[in-house]
Order: sequence, then structure tokens, then C-alpha cells
Amino acid sequence: GIQVEQSPPDLILQEGANSTLRCNFSDSVNNLQWFHQNPWGQLINLFYIPSGTKQNGRLSATTVATERYSLLYISSSQTTDSGVYFCAVLGSNDYKLSFGAGTTVTVRA
Amino acid sequence: KAGVTQTPRYLIKTRGQQVTLSCSPISGHRSVSWYQQTPGQGLQFLFEYFSETQRNKGNFPGRFSGRQFSNSRSEMNVSTLELGDSALYLCASSLNGYGKNIQYFGAGTRLSVL
Repeated sequence: GIQVEQSPPDLILQEGANSTLRCNFSDSVNNLQWFHQNPWGQLINLFYIPSGTKQNGRLSATTVATERYSLLYISSSQTTDSGVYFCAVLGSNDYKLSFGAGTTVTVRA
Repeated sequence: KAGVTQTPRYLIKTRGQQVTLSCSPISGHRSVSWYQQTPGQGLQFLFEYFSETQRNKGNFPGRFSGRQFSNSRSEMNVSTLELGDSALYLCASSLNGYGKNIQYFGAGTRLSVL
């Protein structure tokens, strides 16, 4: 299956700071999603972004499919942004999402 | 439109027992997938159902099984529970499970095996 690597594994930010999370994947994909896992465990959809750039408020994401990576940007971070961020991909001939190990973000007030 | 609903949210069982978890997908979605999340192994695929048929299965023992009903609701069952089955079980629904379909996840069922 597709290998997904996320970096960094941990990120500690001061409130108001900006950050970039990276997701590398090993093969072409039909689907790439970014999720935020809340403290209760639910995976909240942030972006569906197999290619291109999208923005939603303080969050934006870019996927460069030809180079097999995606970036998630968090601007003006808030304490509510804390949690684990997952990148997940579905390969061209695949039936299951392959997840990265996640980036744990801690935003301090 | 209601999201993906998983019940129960929390379960405590003892070794050797069996457990059944339920997942109701978003209306109109026909694919339901199940994932297990543990601190050591991360998120791992269990199986996927589409139109009452198991289409795909991950690398889990036969103690893990599931089914899907005609209304697309799905259940997964774990028999002869082991301590290592303690995990967060997440279900995801999508229109048809393949290709460019967004997957939506439920809140999960947290299973503790004592």
C-alpha cells in the first residue's frame, strides 16, 4: 500500500504563531484528506485536496500531486488548534485510506 | 444532513467476551469502512462494506467480523476479546468508497478490555 509520512511528529507553538505541517506520500493518489482529531477522538474533516490549494479561515492546504506531497498551513494559531493532525490518502487502485502517523500540535496561551 | 453516528461511545468488557459496535452512515452513502486506532499501531483498516457485501478486508484475525444492512447501517463484532483489542474504533462513510469520494468519520467507539 501507499506509504504516508508526516512531519514534524510534534509541534509546540505560542498562540498567534504560524506553522506548516507536511505530508509525503509514495504513489499517485485519487484522494487526499487532512483531518484534525479532537480530544474525544473524532476525526474532523479539514480539507479534501488531491491537488491544488484551498483555504478555510486560518487554515489552508496545498497538494503538489506530481511531487507527492501536501502542506497544511495554520496561521495565527489558537489554543483550540491543539490536537493531532492526520493526512490520509487513497491510492488510484486502492480501497482504504492510508494514514500518516500524525502531527501533534500544542498551542500554548 | 446528519453525520456518521456510532454507538455506543464507550464500552468496557472483560477478556473472552464479545462486543458489537454500530455505525449509521450519512444518508445516501453506501460504503462503510471500519478502522482501529491504537497508540502503538496508529489507524489501521479493518474492512469495508458496500451494498451489504464486504468488499475489502484488512489484516486482522477472524475474531473481527462485520456486516451491512440494506439501509447501509453497519455493525462490527469482535469475539473472544483480548486485552490488545482495547482501542478507538472509527467508522467512515462515503458515497461509494473508491476514487474521489470524501470519507466522513463518526465520533468513534472507545473499547476497553479488562
